[in-house]
Amino acid sequence: GEDVEQSLFLSVREGDSSVINCTYTDSSSTYLYWYKQEPGAGLQLLTYIFSNMDMKQDQRLTVLLNKKDKHLSLRIADTQTGDSAIYFCAESPGLFGNEKLTFGTGTRLTIIP
Amino acid sequence: NAGVTQTPKFRVLKTGQSMTLLCAQDMNHEYMYWYRQDPGMGLRLIHYSVGEGTTAKGEVPDGYNVSRLKKQNFLLGLESAAPSQTSVYFCASSYPRTVDTQYFGPGTRLTVL
Repeated sequence: GEDVEQSLFLSVREGDSSVINCTYTDSSSTYLYWYKQEPGAGLQLLTYIFSNMDMKQDQRLTVLLNKKDKHLSLRIADTQTGDSAIYFCAESPGLFGNEKLTFGTGTRLTIIP
Repeated sequence: NAGVTQTPKFRVLKTGQSMTLLCAQDMNHEYMYWYRQDPGMGLRLIHYSVGEGTTAKGEVPDGYNVSRLKKQNFLLGLESAAPSQTSVYFCASSYPRTVDTQYFGPGTRLTVL
C-alpha cells in the first residue's frame, strides 16, 4: 500500500527557516497536503500542491515537490514560536484530492529561543 | 458554525467494556472519516462514509464498527475494548470530489486499562 515517511523531530532557532521533508511511494498521488497539529487540537490544513506543480508559495510557506524522487518539502521562513507543532504530510491518489488521505508519521517542530 | 465536534473529549475504559464515540458536523459534508493517532504512526483511517447510510473499511477497521444514520453524524463503536485501542481518535469531514480539505474535530483521548 501507500507509504508516507517523515522524520519525527526537528529543532530550529527562532528566526531561522524550517524545512520539513516527506517522501511518499504512490506514484499516482494527485494531491499532496501539509497539515499542522497544535497541542491538544485536531489537524488544520496549511497548504496543498497538485502533482503537476513543482512549487507553491503562500506567505511564509513554500512547498517544493520533486515528483521524480517522490519528495515533498515544506519550508517555513522566519520561524516563530507559534510555529511549534506537529506537521503532517499527506497524499491522495484520488482524482479529486480529498479522498482517503494517507498521512505521514508527523514531524514535531520545536523552536529554540 | 461549530464545524466538526466530537463527544466525549476523554474516556477511560476497562478491557471488555463498550462505548460509542460521536462525531457531528454542521457543514453539510457528504464524506466523514474516523482516524486513530498513535505516537510515531501518524493518522490511520479506521472507517469512512461517503454518504448517509453508507460506510466502508479503512486501513485499520478491526475491533470497530461505525454507523451513519444521519448525514451530520458519524458514530464509532468499540464493542469490546482492548488496551491496543488506547489512542487519540479524530473525526473528519469533507465535500466529495473536490480538492477542499478534510476538516478535523478536536479529538477524543481514549485509554483502555
